[in-house]
Amino acid sequence: EAGVAQSPRYKIIEKRQSVAFWCNPISGHATLYWYQQILGQGPKLLIQFQNNGVVDDSQLPKDRFSAERLKGVDSTLKIQPAKLEDSAVYLCASSLPRTGWHEAFFGQGTRLTVV
Amino acid sequence: GQQVMQIPQYQHVQEGEDFTTYCNSSTTLSNIQWYKQRPGGHPVFLIQLVKSGEVKKQKRLTFQFGEAKKNSSLHITATQTTDVGTYFCAGFTDSSYKLIFGSGTRLLVRP
Repeated sequence: EAGVAQSPRYKIIEKRQSVAFWCNPISGHATLYWYQQILGQGPKLLIQFQNNGVVDDSQLPKDRFSAERLKGVDSTLKIQPAKLEDSAVYLCASSLPRTGWHEAFFGQGTRLTVV
Repeated sequence: GQQVMQIPQYQHVQEGEDFTTYCNSSTTLSNIQWYKQRPGGHPVFLIQLVKSGEVKKQKRLTFQFGEAKKNSSLHITATQTTDVGTYFCAGFTDSSYKLIFGSGTRLLVRP
């Protein structure tokens, strides 16, 4: 079974530039999460999708971050414009449809460095 | 908003010693999950607890869910160097489908 795929693995950009991350969840997984993990901290939930609908985006800085999940499969997370404090690993995870009762499978993450 | 805290933040033990990390939520949880993240890796699921007071074991690891479903613990007996990593608890509340992670406990093991 293929895991959660994320790209790119690494990205270095200058502040005020824009960047996009892509995630392909495990086939059949309706729930998709985007987390931000700053070095030394726990993953912080940015946005959660159930199919192509948003379950929660209360922690997403909507003035600069956006996310979409077209057709309830792949998802993209965009930052525009980036700030220095956005430097972090962005983790995508997916789980089975019965939200709340299944483990989340994580991708390898995208390490973003803003300089 | 919901907060999940873990203590200690770091634990450095001699190989063979025991290790325990504690997880506390500001709100009642419907279930709790534990994940392990190796250095440079991504979180990997270990186990899920659902019932109040539930205890589960995986070889040297013992997981417990508190009676009030607001706290949990992970105990490792006789640590090994392969146990090195950061252990996170994560939970859902009854009123939310959000999977919220704790702050994590980083375990270092001296050989």
